[in-house]
Order: sequence, then structure tokens, then C-alpha cells
Amino acid sequence: KAGVTQTPRYLIKTRGQQVTLSCSPISGHRSVSWYQQTPGQGLQFLFEYFSETQRNKGNFPGRFSGRQFSNSRSEMNVSTLELGDSALYLCASSWTGGTNTEAFFGQGTRLTVV
Amino acid sequence: GEDVEQSLFLSVREGDSSVINCTYTDSSSTYLYWYKQEPGAGLQLLTYIFSNMDMKQDQRLTVLLNKKDKHLSLRIADTQTGDSAIYFCAESRGSSASKIIFGSGTRLSIRP
Repeated sequence: KAGVTQTPRYLIKTRGQQVTLSCSPISGHRSVSWYQQTPGQGLQFLFEYFSETQRNKGNFPGRFSGRQFSNSRSEMNVSTLELGDSALYLCASSWTGGTNTEAFFGQGTRLTVV
Repeated sequence: GEDVEQSLFLSVREGDSSVINCTYTDSSSTYLYWYKQEPGAGLQLLTYIFSNMDMKQDQRLTVLLNKKDKHLSLRIADTQTGDSAIYFCAESRGSSASKIIFGSGTRLSIRP
């Protein structure tokens, strides 16, 4: 059973540009959550998508957005990039059916903004 | 509040036990987790405990939960060099793992 796949693994962008990151969850999982990891702020929840709808949202500006497709794959978009957006972006998938207890994380996309 | 707190560093001798501590603030937390992150890697779920449990043991790992004090600990018996990593304490609310609040992580280093 394939794990959570995030692409690309590494990305370098310039301030002001926009970027799209992709996450393919484990087959059968319907929930995809996104997290930002930085040395200063640690791991912070961005948002969660379930059945193509955003169900939970963290405290990030509107420049951070996402969507989920009918096959549960999710994309995260950051517009007007700032230097502070440099981080490891992690995606997690979970089944979210009943008493689900486990989120499986991908390897992450390391974004560097220069 | 959403704070989950843990100490930043822990150094133990190979073969000794490691104990990583964590405190959380939300009494409504349903599940509490320990994740491991090795350099350059994503997050690996080590173990979790449901909030109505006091203890869970899984091979070398023992999790203790004191719900009254909102204190969670992870004990790693017979610590090995491969245990070197950052360990994150985390909590989720509700019945799903869709939103997880993480601590700052404890970097465990092993000395010979």
C-alpha cells in the first residue's frame, strides 16, 4: 500500500511568486491536512480538506489556500511568497471514519523563498 | 489555549532509558500522540494513547498519561543510537486525526 506522496520534494521560489504543492493521500483516505514546519514556529496546522471541502482551518493569512479533488488528492497554494514562507510543508492523510486515530505523513516539500 | 509544551533537548547514554515529558492545556483532547522525526524525513507516528487510558506499552515504548495534571510522557527503554531524532508530543480533538496540535519537539541525542 503506497504511502502519502508529496511533490515536489524541494522547491526554490522568488519573493512575490506563487507556488503550488501537491499531496496524494493513501488510497481510501478522504481527509488531507497540511502543516507548516519552521525552526521558529515549529509544526503548525494550516487546513484540512475532507470530501473536497475545507473542514478545519488554522491561523494563516489568506495567501495560503488549498483544494481537494474528487480522488482526494490535494493541492496547497501560496501566493505572493514571502521569505518567511520558507519551510517544510507536510501533508497528512487519514481515513476520518468513526474513531480514526492515525494520520500518516508524507516526506514533505521543502520550500525555499529567496 | 492550544499550547503543547515539551523541553527542547535530552541527552542520554546508550542503553539507558529516555524519558521525554510533555504538558498540554486542552482538557478536551481525545487522543495524544508521540511522533518521531529523523533528519530530512517526515513524521512517523510512534504511538498514541486515548485520553481515558493511563498507560500504554508497546515494545520498548511506554506512554504514561496523567489527565489531572495534563502531563504525558514517553519512555524509551534501552535507548539505541537509532533513536536519535526529534520527538513531538501532539494532541487531537474530536474523533478524528484531522487537526493535530504539536509541541515544539524534543531533540534526543545518544552518547556512547
